[in-house]
Amino acid sequence: DAGVIQSPRHEVTEMGQEVTLRCKPISGHNSLFWYRQTMMRGLELLIYFNNNVPIDDSGMPEDRFSAKMPNASFSTLKIQPSEPRDSAVYFCASSSSGRGGTLAKNIQYFGAGTRLSVL
Amino acid sequence: GDSVTQMEGPVTLSEEAFLTINCTYTATGYPSLFWYVQYPGEGLQLLLKATKADDKGSNKGFEATYRKETTSFHLEKGSVQVSDSAVYFCALSERRGSQGNLIFGKGTKLSVKP
Repeated sequence: DAGVIQSPRHEVTEMGQEVTLRCKPISGHNSLFWYRQTMMRGLELLIYFNNNVPIDDSGMPEDRFSAKMPNASFSTLKIQPSEPRDSAVYFCASSSSGRGGTLAKNIQYFGAGTRLSVL
Repeated sequence: GDSVTQMEGPVTLSEEAFLTINCTYTATGYPSLFWYVQYPGEGLQLLLKATKADDKGSNKGFEATYRKETTSFHLEKGSVQVSDSAVYFCALSERRGSQGNLIFGKGTKLSVKP
């Protein structure tokens, strides 16, 4: 399996612009997580989905952030409008509660992240 | 709520030195415990885990034992290598088959010098 795939790897944008981050989870996984990592706050969970349904979005910082999971193989995290304080590395992770192939269940597998810089 | 506390870094060691990174947790249930590692420029990857008290997780020479009495899950390695330089995260999740989030510590950066 190719693992969790995130795009783009790097994004540089100007304040006020819309930013869309994308994630393709591991095939067969039924849970997906979005995290944000900064030096100041460490790793923070933003939102997670189970079977494409948002379960807990209490970590989403404000209304400028939104996340969708239209199907089991794709999710987006959107920031509109973006602000310099949104600059961070955003990670997507997925996991499985079932017989997810050879990968252990209930283990989160992370993508390589998207480094976002808002100028 | 549940939480994880791990020692602050950075930790700098010479090659072949002994490593300990302390991790303690607070949880109301019976969590599973994990150590994840993040190499420069990469996402986190699972290093080892333990799902119940007295379990020992091990991988790549690293070990950690789930100590319920001291609510700890300290990471150890007998002889570190330069390639072990990374950030290490202790984490917990509720055990009841939940797909819920992992609660991470703040991470400990390890630098190993030749």
